[in-house]
Amino acid sequence: DVKVTQSSRYLVKRTGEKVFLECVQDMDHENMFWYRQDPGLGLRLIYFSYDVKMKEKGDIPEGYSVSREKKERFSLILESASTNQTSMYLCASSRDRGNIQYFGAGTRLSVL
Amino acid sequence: AQKVTQAQTEISVVEKEDVTLDCVYETRDTTYYLFWYKQPPSGELVFLIRRNSFDEQNEISGRYSWNFQKSTSSFNFTITASQVVDSAVYFCALRSRGSTLGRLYFGRGTQLTVWP
Repeated sequence: DVKVTQSSRYLVKRTGEKVFLECVQDMDHENMFWYRQDPGLGLRLIYFSYDVKMKEKGDIPEGYSVSREKKERFSLILESASTNQTSMYLCASSRDRGNIQYFGAGTRLSVL
Repeated sequence: AQKVTQAQTEISVVEKEDVTLDCVYETRDTTYYLFWYKQPPSGELVFLIRRNSFDEQNEISGRYSWNFQKSTSSFNFTITASQVVDSAVYFCALRSRGSTLGRLYFGRGTQLTVWP
């Protein structure tokens, strides 16, 4: 079975802190994705990556950056967390373009 | 442009009722894929089905069935004899040939609550 693991289920941070959300997949997938999920807005794509050290902006990249130093790991970084970044963050991976995306359990981030 | 609309924000049914979740999509591409995912209260999105644009056959898997109609750009999902465990948020998603690097476009989801 494909396994996508997000390092934390719940996280509480203070405004202005630098926050790292980690995601690891164990299926040697090429593509990895970060989404945020907010009530009434569904899933919105923040960033995605199709190879090591490669990244593409999604629909809402402002205030976020990403890092993919190894194929299995894709990190989402909030350089200076703000309260409007309080949300559920979901990581996903897929084998190649157009293939099924497999999701992690999500990280619920609260920024106070 | 790619877009997915799930007009039903919330649906409540009583156990054993049948329920249909609607999904309407927009794309200019002739080659595309449609997906349904389930998100139970635990939070993880679970893949349910993928259909490609060249296969309009309806699909049935146990109590689940999917009706794909290109003429109306819809990909509706029906649960027969619903159960409490079906309570979840359901997302419809689209990937078209023009989608950058295989990204998916999601609808806003439908919260299904099945009461005992």
